Amino acid sequence: AQSVTQLGSHVSVSEGALVLLRCNYSSSVPPYLFWYVQYPNQGLQLLLKYTSAATLVKGINGFEAEFKKSETSFHLTKPSAHMSDAAEYFCAVSGVNFNKFYFGSGTKLNVKP
Amino acid sequence: NAGVTQTPKFQVLKTGQSMTLQCAQDMNHEYMSWYRQDPGMGLRLIHYSVGAGITDQGEVPNGYNVSRSTTEDFPLRLLSAAPSQTSVYFCASLGRGDPKETQYFGPGTRLLVL
Repeated sequence: AQSVTQLGSHVSVSEGALVLLRCNYSSSVPPYLFWYVQYPNQGLQLLLKYTSAATLVKGINGFEAEFKKSETSFHLTKPSAHMSDAAEYFCAVSGVNFNKFYFGSGTKLNVKP
Repeated sequence: NAGVTQTPKFQVLKTGQSMTLQCAQDMNHEYMSWYRQDPGMGLRLIHYSVGAGITDQGEVPNGYNVSRSTTEDFPLRLLSAAPSQTSVYFCASLGRGDPKETQYFGPGTRLLVL
């Protein structure tokens, strides 16, 4: 069985501060892990993905995430937050056949001026 | 390419009514899925399909039916709507090698069941 836990339903940072959004996964098979971003009233857009290559994955808009098997984590980071980063972020896991994706409950990021 | 399209954008139903949410993709993707999004619960998989004629249940299939007669279309049917089905519904597609492992999401359908 696969599942994802996102710690913190709301995270607030100041513009220019570090962004850290936490994701822990549970999987009985080698996982593929994803981060998606959702802006208000829109669908989901892929930020980055881990598919068993490099453990440090770089995505769009300056985001990156590191796969840590020992900690079963895939936390999302960005060194310096921009106002445009305010959105909801979802972590997801799938197995190697990509038939099913399991999403976390989401973290809403607020960026203060 | 239009990507993944969904209709309608918004729908109000009365309890017990039926309706079909439409989803289409023009990327020749094998995999298509339906999710519902509820506050604080993320996206939950309703049904998915790995190709024309093949469908399977996800996490929350009760009250929903799907079929996949063509590669392009994957409609979701609500047989007898209930207030608990008030949600935002997203369709997604994924194709191997295009680029691999990337799901493309539609814009969503907001459904209100009274």
